[in-house]
Amino acid sequence: QLQLQESGPGLVKPSETLSLICSVSGGSISSSSYYWGWIRQPPGQGLEWIGNILYSGSTYYNPSLKSRVTISVDTSKSQFSLKLSSVSAADTAVYYCATHSAAAALFDSWGQGALVTVSS
Amino acid sequence: EIVMTQSPATLSVSPGERATLSCRASQSVSNNLAWYQQKPGRAPRLLIYDASTRATGIPARFGGSGSGTEFTLTISSLQSEDFAVYHCQQYDKWPLTFGGGTKVEIK
Repeated sequence: QLQLQESGPGLVKPSETLSLICSVSGGSISSSSYYWGWIRQPPGQGLEWIGNILYSGSTYYNPSLKSRVTISVDTSKSQFSLKLSSVSAADTAVYYCATHSAAAALFDSWGQGALVTVSS
Repeated sequence: EIVMTQSPATLSVSPGERATLSCRASQSVSNNLAWYQQKPGRAPRLLIYDASTRATGIPARFGGSGSGTEFTLTISSLQSEDFAVYHCQQYDKWPLTFGGGTKVEIK
């Protein structure tokens, strides 16, 4: 059973870069069977897909965020990370890491979520 | 991008009653549609995929139907633990998109 856990600062200043790490256990992050993704949820709102990465480094980003997002993977640490640059209050959200199979991009394992607030 | 629209935004149902939630796609997604349940302060949980297949461990009272642009999630007899927010998601085309959610509350 895959387990995912987000970590990172809970408070980021406007115009700075939000950085989060997702630690994976119970399975291999190097497996070609899984994609590793980030999804966010602003307070009281719906879910927004941010992007996905395969262990090889291949990425898919949401076009609405693509210019500000970088997702990378560190197979030696069994982690993948999210960087979102030039943040504003609109980026305040709970950020989830999650995984889906290579066969279908539906998310069957999720981290518990990390609230990131953008404020000075 | 494919826009997913869920209705109603809030559904008030009594325990034991049937709940019917709708999800509409702005263009066909075939049967590449998933439903998730989310309780307050918790991550979403996969309920249904491929429009009608229950995920592992999901009770039979949860049923999904539809294809193309119109989808339905039915909870046949609401239990106390079913009061939550339900999200649909299409995975037919990138970018992946979610609906705005339907909150099922106790009537």
